[in-house]
Amino acid sequence: DADVTQTPRNRITKTGKRIMLECSQTKGHDRMYWYRQDPGLGLRLIYYSFDVKDINKGEISDGYSVSRQAQAKFSLSLESAIPNQTALYFCATSAGTGDEKLFFGSGTQLSVL
Amino acid sequence: KQEVTQIPAALSVPEGENLVLNCSFTDSAIYNLQWFRQDPGKGLTSLLLIQSSQREQTSGRLNASLDKSSGRSTLYIAASQPGDSATYLCAVRPVWEETSGSRLTFGEGTQLTVNP
Repeated sequence: DADVTQTPRNRITKTGKRIMLECSQTKGHDRMYWYRQDPGLGLRLIYYSFDVKDINKGEISDGYSVSRQAQAKFSLSLESAIPNQTALYFCATSAGTGDEKLFFGSGTQLSVL
Repeated sequence: KQEVTQIPAALSVPEGENLVLNCSFTDSAIYNLQWFRQDPGKGLTSLLLIQSSQREQTSGRLNASLDKSSGRSTLYIAASQPGDSATYLCAVRPVWEETSGSRLTFGEGTQLTVNP
């Protein structure tokens, strides 16, 4: 089984709909991240969390919200999806200071029509 | 603002060839640099992480070097195999994020194809 699991793998939705992407991990890491990947723009950080009570905005947080339900779970919501949120979304984890390697999920391809 | 550039965007080589992928960054005040591999339909896999105080890291057929002062890193792949075909990305973490560990800046990657 994958250490970092994202659901769903693919999602097609319409403008204005609320969407939730979920991420769970079995690595026991405290730190979790949400990135989006766009052609020509690379990966950009949306939100990150260093523990259950810690949530921080990344460089492109507008239009998104997150919830850290438990150490192992970190979900990303689009309250009202718009077409320019069409992208490949990745969840990632890391152990923390001293071990900064990132471990990524397989991604969620989201298309907003 | 840190910018990370990877050239070439795509590379095609015959099996068995040794090759070098390049990564350059504009701000030399980095904490570390990571090289990742991305396969289609999959997430990124961390290959090597080089701390700013280090010059290189090796793992199997992979060797990554770092020249912080010139803002460059290279990923050397020895005796390439078709299974090495993937997109390779580098990412830098700035010094000022040392305690937060969050703000990696990624390059757009080099798409490598190794032909049998």
